[in-house]
Amino acid sequence: DAGITQSPRHKVTETGTPVTLRCHQTENHRYMYWYRQDPGHGLRLIHYSYGVKDTDKGEVSDGYSVSRSKTEDFLLTLESATSSQTSVYFCAIRASSGTYNEQFFGPGTRLTVL
Amino acid sequence: KNEVEQSPQNLTAQEGEFITINCSYSVGISALHWLQQHPGGGIVSLFMLSSGKKKHGRLIATINIQEKHSSLHITASHPRDSAVYICAVDNTDKLIFGTGTRLQVFP
Repeated sequence: DAGITQSPRHKVTETGTPVTLRCHQTENHRYMYWYRQDPGHGLRLIHYSYGVKDTDKGEVSDGYSVSRSKTEDFLLTLESATSSQTSVYFCAIRASSGTYNEQFFGPGTRLTVL
Repeated sequence: KNEVEQSPQNLTAQEGEFITINCSYSVGISALHWLQQHPGGGIVSLFMLSSGKKKHGRLIATINIQEKHSSLHITASHPRDSAVYICAVDNTDKLIFGTGTRLQVFP
């Protein structure tokens, strides 16, 4: 599992409340990613980070912000959760070795916004 | 049109059958990944390939760079192979995913 954990694993919240999801890695990988997975859409990139304090938007970044103050933690924040953000969220790291790059995924967080 | 297309979307098979899942892409890539996700489960990397063919147990992945096409084959399928299989292409620093193929193998 490349030492990736996500917390919480499950969360139910109400519309309008702030929510922060945490991704933690133990292997000092530079790249970290946040995806959401929805039926019919597959995995879609929300934000990614290529180093401490270096982040960039993905294809579905509206309504989300991220922070990476240290290598091992990548936080995803929903400032004001909406029902459309009900989804399963996966964190991933990119492990580089020579000429290839492989992504390893965390176990996922199931978020329900009522 | 999606940049990564998988077919079929759903697939059912009897135990022992040979399975093929296809992936076509329209962007430049440095590598292609095949991932597996069991129901309610996490996502596991099966293969990463940039050319030719790779084999792991009963699973075989091939890629044709010129045709921008990859296939995942499962020989002698088993009910434990039931999962969603996801194709993803490595495009600069990011992966672009297909929507997945749901495979059910019945005894």
